[in-house]
Amino acid sequence: DARVTQTPRHKVTEMGQEVTMRCQPILGHNTVFWYRQTMMQGLELLAYFRNRAPLDDSGMPKDRFSAEMPDATLATLKIQPSEPRDSAVYFCASGTRRDSRYNEQFFGPGTRLTVL
Amino acid sequence: AQKITQTQPGMFVQEKEAVTLDCTYDTSDQSYGLFWYKQPSSGEMIFLIYQGSYDEQNATEGRYSLNFQKARKSANLVISASQLGDSAMYFCAMRAGGGGSQGNLIFGKGTKLSVKP
Repeated sequence: DARVTQTPRHKVTEMGQEVTMRCQPILGHNTVFWYRQTMMQGLELLAYFRNRAPLDDSGMPKDRFSAEMPDATLATLKIQPSEPRDSAVYFCASGTRRDSRYNEQFFGPGTRLTVL
Repeated sequence: AQKITQTQPGMFVQEKEAVTLDCTYDTSDQSYGLFWYKQPSSGEMIFLIYQGSYDEQNATEGRYSLNFQKARKSANLVISASQLGDSAMYFCAMRAGGGGSQGNLIFGKGTKLSVKP
């Protein structure tokens, strides 16, 4: 059963530290999304890639956040320096137009980040 | 601007009864897709059902059906024969571009459903 995997599942860090979250999309999926979920803002898009190229990162604070896809099997989201307001659950999702279920975005289990 | 509105922060339903979760949307696009996701307390996001803006029939997936009223811009989720395992947060979402598009989803704030035994 193909799944999106995310590491780490939980991360506690101190303000000012660098945080790197990783996502392995489902093999063959060419679209990858990063979402952030907080109680106040709900689920919001941070960035998304198609065929490893960034298409939209307008939801991401550019001064501290960066998202990359070094290869088709790995997407990364980095925060440097981290701040307490970055505490949230970060979801990665992937999808493809070639699958019969192309309308579905498959979500990973999320990374729960706490910045003290 | 695109927007999803879920006006029910919380809902209760008796086990085995049906429940409707409301969702209205706003978009100027002619082609778009509407989704419902379930998020149990474990935190994962589970896809439930999809409705394309040009689909003539309401989508159904097992006990889930989507009551799509295009003119009213509503896409309510109906869960029939509620089960205790249906207790979760439910999110309505929209994607511009309709079927085949791979753009991002815009989510509502969610409705917390509690099923009572």
